[in-house]
Amino acid sequence: EPEVTQTPSHQVTQMGQEVILRCVPISNHLYFYWYRQILGQKVEFLVSFYNNEISEKSEIFDDQFSVERPDGSNFTLKIRSTKLEDSAMYFCASRGIQETQYFGPGTRLLVL
Amino acid sequence: LAKTTQPISMDSYEGQEVNITCSHNNIATNDYITWYQQFPSQGPRFIIQGYKTKVTNEVASLFIPADRKSSTLSLPRVSLSDTAVYYCLVGGPPSGGSYIPTFGRGTSLIVHP
Repeated sequence: EPEVTQTPSHQVTQMGQEVILRCVPISNHLYFYWYRQILGQKVEFLVSFYNNEISEKSEIFDDQFSVERPDGSNFTLKIRSTKLEDSAMYFCASRGIQETQYFGPGTRLLVL
Repeated sequence: LAKTTQPISMDSYEGQEVNITCSHNNIATNDYITWYQQFPSQGPRFIIQGYKTKVTNEVASLFIPADRKSSTLSLPRVSLSDTAVYYCLVGGPPSGGSYIPTFGRGTSLIVHP
């Protein structure tokens, strides 16, 4: 069964550093998403991406965040200058037409 | 977006049927009802989706009454591995480009031996 993959599984970084989280969506999917989940809290939507541009974004997705699909397979989330409160699980998801979203296993980001 | 209300937690025992009900009084005509399962430190996993009446797949059934103001996820004969958080989401249609699943707190199901 095809699945969404994410790398790295864990990332530890210093406050103020840039991090790039990587995702490989399911190959024939067209819509891509990033979510985050702070420990013990809800899964929160960050951004959706379609046709090489952002479709929607939440208030959380401020200027420190950016997304990119640098090639035909990868979908990345960049945090330019990490803050302590960016520590969370980050989930990538993708879906095709007439389908529901499939989530990746997540990247656990810890900002020190 | 339609607000959903579901129990914070439920307990069950292996082999029992578990029914988790979700209220969504202000569901819109175009909204679908979707249930996800999440294990600790993993991404949410799609379980089942429906619009009205009953939907059944290999893992669960979803019952939706005619007024669609609530829905019930039914897990037949649960096992210890069904211990997880279950989320009820309302929105859609899922084929629409603007469909964004909005997660609430979910129901934490604990299955006991």
